[in-house]
Amino acid sequence: GNSVTQMEGPVTLSEEAFLTINCTYTATGYPSLFWYVQYPGEGLQLLLKATKADDKGSNKGFEATYRKETTSFHLEKGSVQVSDSAVYFCALSYPTVNAGGTSYGKLTFGQGTILTVHP
Amino acid sequence: DTEVTQTPKHLVMGMTNKKSLKCEQHMGHRAMYWYKQKAKKPPELMFVYSYEKLSINESVPSRFSPECPNSSLLNLHLHALQPEDSALYLCASSQVAGKQEKLFFGSGTQLSVL
Repeated sequence: GNSVTQMEGPVTLSEEAFLTINCTYTATGYPSLFWYVQYPGEGLQLLLKATKADDKGSNKGFEATYRKETTSFHLEKGSVQVSDSAVYFCALSYPTVNAGGTSYGKLTFGQGTILTVHP
Repeated sequence: DTEVTQTPKHLVMGMTNKKSLKCEQHMGHRAMYWYKQKAKKPPELMFVYSYEKLSINESVPSRFSPECPNSSLLNLHLHALQPEDSALYLCASSQVAGKQEKLFFGSGTQLSVL
């Protein structure tokens, strides 16, 4: 089945440090890939997405490139801020057909990585 | 309006109570979802509604009963819950239920079952 593996956390960085959170996936075919972020006490927000190989998603200084050859979608940011402290989830979406024949995109999440940025 | 609004934010209930969680969106989305999230874990899909019809039930116990009265509203009716059902319940919506769709999440209802 489909699965997503994220680097274990928690990750603790100083402000302005470089961030990498590794994400690899297992899927048949061509899933869409996402990074979601969850700030304390809130729901998840889409950070960025990529829908095909070699696509680069970017938002708020974060970037991730869909690498089919290494089945990876690593999240990077050149200079983190205290406000980036949150939990980051890598996810994939792949068409799934239910018993009634309806197709939908089922999101499969990684385990999440807690990021803490100190001033 | 790009918000998904969930009420209540917090709920404490006994194992014999009946309560309901509510979710509302006004983005014209035709797919709505319920997820369950335990502390420090990723969300787990419970139900998917597509065009107001229940499309997916991820083998959720019958003590959880979803309802979609119209295209903007999604309810989750709770009855005879167990302490292990304590979790953050997240509602989400998307334009349609396709694989490339961006999901918009609400802030969730933090449920405690005593």
